[in-house]
Amino acid sequence: AQKVTQAQTEISVVEKEDVTLDCVYETRDTTYYLFWYKQPPSGELVFLIRRNSFDEQNEISGRYSWNFQKSTSSFNFTITASQVVDSAVYFCALSEDRGGSNYKLTFGKGTLLTVNP
Amino acid sequence: AAGVIQSPRHLIKEKRETATLKCYPIPRHDTVYWYQQGPGQDPQFLISFYEKMQSDKGSIPDRFSAQQFSDYHSELNMSSLELGDSALYFCASSLGAPPLNTEAFFGQGTRLTVV
Repeated sequence: AQKVTQAQTEISVVEKEDVTLDCVYETRDTTYYLFWYKQPPSGELVFLIRRNSFDEQNEISGRYSWNFQKSTSSFNFTITASQVVDSAVYFCALSEDRGGSNYKLTFGKGTLLTVNP
Repeated sequence: AAGVIQSPRHLIKEKRETATLKCYPIPRHDTVYWYQQGPGQDPQFLISFYEKMQSDKGSIPDRFSAQQFSDYHSELNMSSLELGDSALYFCASSLGAPPLNTEAFFGQGTRLTVV
């Protein structure tokens, strides 16, 4: 069975601080996909990144960066120079590739990030 | 760019009533996924369709059924509603057959309240 653990339930930072959201996953598959989604107070789910299990390259997109380490089954997300608009719940998710829907996602419980001015 | 459209955005029903949620995928997307997110919870996968056939099933109650139509839109039918069905229901769509399908994009969700 697959499982995603986001140990940080809530994080509060002051604007311009860097913040890292942790994600640890469990799966028995060798091929899988990892995701991060943002859910602002308005409720929609905003796609941030998808990474397959064979691509361990770290990725940077503007102020966002992701660190994927298979050795520790972690896929952490860092926001650099946080802004108030980054305040949201962030979900890490996992999908196993068994020939079925690879958007059958297992989500973590989410981390509520509050960025204070 | 066109996104996934869900209707209605908000719905209030009484216990034991029936509700139908609709999802219109991004144009040309042929795969649809349904998720249920209870208050303060993470989204839970319910069911998915590819080319009008059910492709996967999650923790969908027997009281719920869903289908995908020839125009690729999907409907989630919920009967004998219970208070615990109150949740945000998301639909997502993608293009192509797994494992090569494109990114899945979520709609804005339908907030169902059962009273």
